[in-house]
Amino acid sequence: DSGVTQTPKHLITATGQRVTLRCSPRSGDLSVYWYQQSLDQGLQFLIQYYNGEERAKGNILERFSAQQFPDLHSELNLSSLELGDSALYFCASSVAATSGRTDTQYFGPGTRLTVL
Amino acid sequence: SQQGEEDPQALSIQEGENATMNCSYKTSINNLQWYRQNSGRGLVHLILIRSNEREKHSGRLRVTLDTSKKSSSLLITASRAADTASYFCATDRKGGSEKLVFGKGTKLTVNP
Repeated sequence: DSGVTQTPKHLITATGQRVTLRCSPRSGDLSVYWYQQSLDQGLQFLIQYYNGEERAKGNILERFSAQQFPDLHSELNLSSLELGDSALYFCASSVAATSGRTDTQYFGPGTRLTVL
Repeated sequence: SQQGEEDPQALSIQEGENATMNCSYKTSINNLQWYRQNSGRGLVHLILIRSNEREKHSGRLRVTLDTSKKSSSLLITASRAADTASYFCATDRKGGSEKLVFGKGTKLTVNP
């Protein structure tokens, strides 16, 4: 158990819908990262938050957004869902954002999103 | 685009044998990490090696890093059926953010 929790574990929805994925980082971790894992694209970095502020952005679509709340939990919002958004979405956390130097990232169990 | 590329894509061995997986990357890095993922599950951190380190051990795991060749290897000794999983290397780019860039992974099957 990494100490990172994600809810829900599974989500089945229809195209055009909007969903919210939730992540609670390990106690004391200030950085939260979101990754998408699909069969064709592999593991792709989406976005990072550090202590409530957006820190880095990856291949995140404009239909997707995220935020980190004062209690450090984070939510990833996916809207106008398409079939191709079906994937595993992982959240990871690390102790701190030391500029230019990555700490170990601890991954949650993931949310499996299926868009029908 | 993927920063790390693992080789081979798939590896099948017998229990007790050693398994070696390789990872190549493209840019200068701060560190390189190896993760394991059981089918459809979360990623488990195995080991982190910094760019100024050449070799690191953790239990049955041995990781080497050659920054001149931009490559790393993960050796699992005396493999067990429970080691069956996909193994990913992940790098962070020197001067970049803390995000990790993952390779596509090596799928290891250890046959009992």
